[in-house]
Amino acid sequence: AQSVTQLGSHVSVSEGALVLLRCNYSSSVPPYLFWYVQYPNQGLQLLLKYTSAATLVKGINGFEAEFKKSETSFHLTKPSAHMSDAAEYFCAVTFIGTSYGKLTFGQGTILTVHP
Amino acid sequence: KAGVTQTPRYLIKTRGQQVTLSCSPISGHRSVSWYQQTPGQGLQFLFEYFSETQRNKGNFPGRFSGRQFSNSRSEMNVSTLELGDSALYLCASSLPGLAGGPSTDTQYFGPGTRLTVL
Repeated sequence: AQSVTQLGSHVSVSEGALVLLRCNYSSSVPPYLFWYVQYPNQGLQLLLKYTSAATLVKGINGFEAEFKKSETSFHLTKPSAHMSDAAEYFCAVTFIGTSYGKLTFGQGTILTVHP
Repeated sequence: KAGVTQTPRYLIKTRGQQVTLSCSPISGHRSVSWYQQTPGQGLQFLFEYFSETQRNKGNFPGRFSGRQFSNSRSEMNVSTLELGDSALYLCASSLPGLAGGPSTDTQYFGPGTRLTVL
């Protein structure tokens, strides 16, 4: 069965520091991977997505992620954290030809940014 | 373009009641998916509709149902509410794949409906 694991339910960084949020997937077919961000009392906003084109994907707000098939990973990074990045982040996966409209989500990582 | 809208934003019900939630997709999007978000279980897929047909369903009891109208708007219904149904219910819309097939296109989410069951 396909699944997504986010390592670390809470990550804390200082403003200006590197942000690294980890995501690993399990799949027997090529995955399509997404990172979403959720602010309190809001829905999910897409940060970036990987759909088998370039392995390094750039998203909004300075975030990027690299698809590494050998490591089955899709970690999210940002060189310099900003206070406004504090939110919960979700990695999600879907698979072409297998499942209509279904995203499988990781458990989420809450990012805290300290001044 | 207007985003995905969900109504109502907040609901309070008591056990045993039923509830209907509404979702209006982005104009031109014909696929609507529903998710339940709880602190314990995270984000879980409920079902997906396209052209008024349910094409996929998650692992939820039959008390959870949905439908889609010809204008792509969707509703979900939960009957005989239980305390454990308290959650944020999110809907998402996307473009369908070629010929209405599976799509890996981005799902755009609404703000959600916060349901509290007392």
